[in-house]
Amino acid sequence: DIQMTQSPSSLSASLGDRVTITCQASQDISYYVNWYQQKPGKAPKLLICDASNLERGVPSRFSGSGSGTDFTFTISGLQPEDIATYYCQQYDNIPLTFGGGTKVEIK
Amino acid sequence: QVQLVESGGGLVKPGGSLRLSCAASGFSFSDYYISWIRQAPGKGLEWVSYITHSGSGPQYADFAKGRFTVSRDNAKNSVYLQMNGLRTDDTAVYYCARDKVPGSYYRPDSWGQGTLVIVSS
Repeated sequence: DIQMTQSPSSLSASLGDRVTITCQASQDISYYVNWYQQKPGKAPKLLICDASNLERGVPSRFSGSGSGTDFTFTISGLQPEDIATYYCQQYDNIPLTFGGGTKVEIK
Repeated sequence: QVQLVESGGGLVKPGGSLRLSCAASGFSFSDYYISWIRQAPGKGLEWVSYITHSGSGPQYADFAKGRFTVSRDNAKNSVYLQMNGLRTDDTAVYYCARDKVPGSYYRPDSWGQGTLVIVSS
């Protein structure tokens, strides 16, 4: 199975800060990565697919990049509504696997 | 609009069985693969299974093989997850999810609200 190592597991940042989350795959997975946002008690929401393609309706402060084994998710200007846990997910191989998640809080 | 509603969760003893249902509406159900993804309390997301639009060739995570069976009834716009031999580590919220593209399984963009399965004696 492909392991997705996500870091950090949690972070605290100020409103307006740039927030960066990384995911490292255990093998080359090209650009086959999605990023999700999950708020407490809610289902995950797909934000970015194919490593860098923003889903329709998702604010442009969210972005993704990377290929191969190293991927980055960025929030450019943290907003109060961005408080959530974020997950990466690979789809190069079955089983689909997720990173461990990054909990984003306001400092 | 796309809607997925899970049901069937509950409290079950170790070794017991449950059948989860996922009722879909708002889209052409028979065109889409459906996945099951679970989340243990306070933990991350874990893919369980997917079923193709026709119901053929379902795929399972290793922990689900031989214990879980996914099926669908396109006439009823529903997908089912039969879970047998449940273990305490199967305790989780189970989500069904639809991919954003017909005939694909790897970018689920529409999720239900989840149904909680608790396996405990």
